[in-house]
Amino acid sequence: EDQVTQSPEALRLQEGESSSLNCSYTVSGLRGLFWYRQDPGKGPEFLFTLYSAGEEKEKERLKATLTKKESFLHITAPKPEDSATYLCAVQAWSNDYKLSFGAGTTVTVRA
Amino acid sequence: GAVVSQHPSWVICKSGTSVKIECRSLDFQATTMFWYRQFPKQSLMLMATSNEGSKATYEQGVEKDKFLINHASLTLSTLTVTSAHPEDSSFYICSARDRFQGSYEQYFGPGTRLTVT
Repeated sequence: EDQVTQSPEALRLQEGESSSLNCSYTVSGLRGLFWYRQDPGKGPEFLFTLYSAGEEKEKERLKATLTKKESFLHITAPKPEDSATYLCAVQAWSNDYKLSFGAGTTVTVRA
Repeated sequence: GAVVSQHPSWVICKSGTSVKIECRSLDFQATTMFWYRQFPKQSLMLMATSNEGSKATYEQGVEKDKFLINHASLTLSTLTVTSAHPEDSSFYICSARDRFQGSYEQYFGPGTRLTVT
C-alpha cells in the first residue's frame, strides 16, 4: 500500500524566512509525485509534478525536489500570501491514476 | 486552462433526502474523474474513480448504493448522496485528468460543502 508522510504538520514562518517541507513516500513503482496547495474551504491547486529522482521544478518562491524516498518543497523568502496547506501525493504505475495524499503541512507566514 | 467547476458550492439538506453534486471540466475532456471527501483538518480521501461511459470504481469501505456516481460525458460527472445522514456532512471535491495531456496530474474543483441536518 502506498504511504505518504508529510512533516512538519504545521510551520509558522516570519515573512522572508525560508524553509522546507518534507514528503516521505513508499510506493511500488512511482509514476509521479505531486505537490498541491490548498487554501481553507477550497479545492487543491496544482503546483508541480516530479517524475524521477534528481528532478527539480520551480515556480516563483517555490522549488520542489525529488529523491528515491522523499520530496522537499522549499519556500524561499515567503510572503503572507504563501500561507496555505501544502499537500503531497503519489501515483503508482499500478494504480490507475489514483492519488494517495499525505496529511499536509499547514504553513503560516507572518508579516 | 485545466479548470474544473463544481455545483453547488454548498448545500444544506434534511436527513433522509438525496443531493446531487456536479463536476465539470470546463476547458478539457476528461475520461476519468475522481471523487474525494475531506473532513476538517484532514487530508483528501479518495471515494471513487469515475470513468466516462462505464461504472465507477469505489474504494474499500465506500457504499456504492449510497454514493451514486454517473459519468455521462467527457466533461461531466455527478455524485448523488442518497438518503443523506448527518455523518455524510463533509467537503466533497472532484478532480479530473486531461485525456490528451501527456502528464498525469489531476485538476481539482473548488469543492462542495454538504451539511445534513
